Amino acid sequence: EAGVVQSPRYKIIEKKQPVAFWCNPISGHNTLYWYRQNLGQGPELLIRYENEEAVDDSQLPKDRFSAERLKGVDSTLKIQPAELGDSAVYLCASSVEDGPYEQYFGPGTRLTVT
Amino acid sequence: GIQVEQSPPDLILQEGANSTLRCNFSDSVNNLQWFHQNPWGQLINLFYIPSGTKQNGRLSATTVATERYSLLYISSSQTTDSGVYFCAAPDPYSGNTGKLIFGQGTTLQVKP
Repeated sequence: EAGVVQSPRYKIIEKKQPVAFWCNPISGHNTLYWYRQNLGQGPELLIRYENEEAVDDSQLPKDRFSAERLKGVDSTLKIQPAELGDSAVYLCASSVEDGPYEQYFGPGTRLTVT
Repeated sequence: GIQVEQSPPDLILQEGANSTLRCNFSDSVNNLQWFHQNPWGQLINLFYIPSGTKQNGRLSATTVATERYSLLYISSSQTTDSGVYFCAAPDPYSGNTGKLIFGQGTTLQVKP
């Protein structure tokens, strides 16, 4: 069974530029999560999807971040414009359903904003 | 929200040694996961262990939910065990959701 797929793996951009990250969850997983991991810290949730509905986006900086999950499968996270403080690893995870179920993580996208 | 604390923050071992990593959480949880983040940044699932004890090869984990802690045991450590170990639990203050709260991690270095 294929795991969570993310692309790109690495991205270097200049500040004020836009950037997008893509995630394909494990087949059959209804719930998709985007986390951000700053250097030396544990991941923190940005947004959670149940099928195509964003059920928790309270941690998403909505002035510059946006996300979508069309058709309840793949998801895209966008930053526009990027700031220096956005440099981090962006992790996508999925689980069969929302709730206390095991989550599986993708390899992440390491973003560097210069 | 829930607080998740891990200890020790850093650990250096000689190959072949055993170790115990601890995860304390401030509130009752209905799930706990242990992950290993390898040097390439991939979070690898080790255990999904709301309570009790599980074993997988040289690794085992025990969660005592009533006392709000979990332990990860690594026996006969190998250099490939190096990396950061995270525990994570769903935040009970966000309802019955999958919002995981992570600890700060334990960085393990196994020397040959």
